[in-house]
Amino acid sequence: DAGVIQSPRHEVTEMGQEVTLRCKPISGHNSLFWYRQTMMRGLELLIYFNNNVPIDDSGMPEDRFSAKMPNASFSTLKIQPSEPRDSAVYFCASSLSRRETQYFGPGTRLLVL
Amino acid sequence: AQTVTQSQPEMSVQEAETVTLSCTYDTSESDYYLFWYKQPPSRQMILVIRQEAYKQQNATENRFSVNFQKAAKSFSLKISDSQLGDAAMYFCAYRYGSQGNLIFGKGTKLSVKP
Repeated sequence: DAGVIQSPRHEVTEMGQEVTLRCKPISGHNSLFWYRQTMMRGLELLIYFNNNVPIDDSGMPEDRFSAKMPNASFSTLKIQPSEPRDSAVYFCASSLSRRETQYFGPGTRLLVL
Repeated sequence: AQTVTQSQPEMSVQEAETVTLSCTYDTSESDYYLFWYKQPPSRQMILVIRQEAYKQQNATENRFSVNFQKAAKSFSLKISDSQLGDAAMYFCAYRYGSQGNLIFGKGTKLSVKP
């Protein structure tokens, strides 16, 4: 079975540019999560969706970040404009429901110069 | 607010020996779940083991087992017969029952010596 798929795996961009990260959850999973990992703050939730509806976006840093889930098999996390402090590893995870175990994708390493 | 604390930034174990990683958490909830995830150098987050708070029996997965002390809010991971492939960052995580998001500790870096 295919796991959670994320693209791109690596992204290098310049400050001010738009960045779009993509995620395909495991088929049949109804919950999708975006996490960010940095040395300073560790792993923290940005936003999560249940049945394609955003449930908790309190972790989204500011208006520069936005996330969408247009259907059950695809989600995007967009940063516009990007800043050097956005450099991190971004993980997508999915689960059968909010109460079930989350399975993580391989992550996207983002570097903003 | 719920918090997860891993007090050991780094640990080391000899191959084939046993090592225990510590985790404590703070919550006022009764319905919650606890997890250990492994993150090798590849950065992939891999589920190691899961424990439901309502279950008194400690979870076990092959060489991995937990010591869940609910009253003490402690959730340690024991790795038996350590292997070189066990070298990784290990994260303890908490999830309140009806919420979705995981709250992670800062992690423990485990080294395995041949």
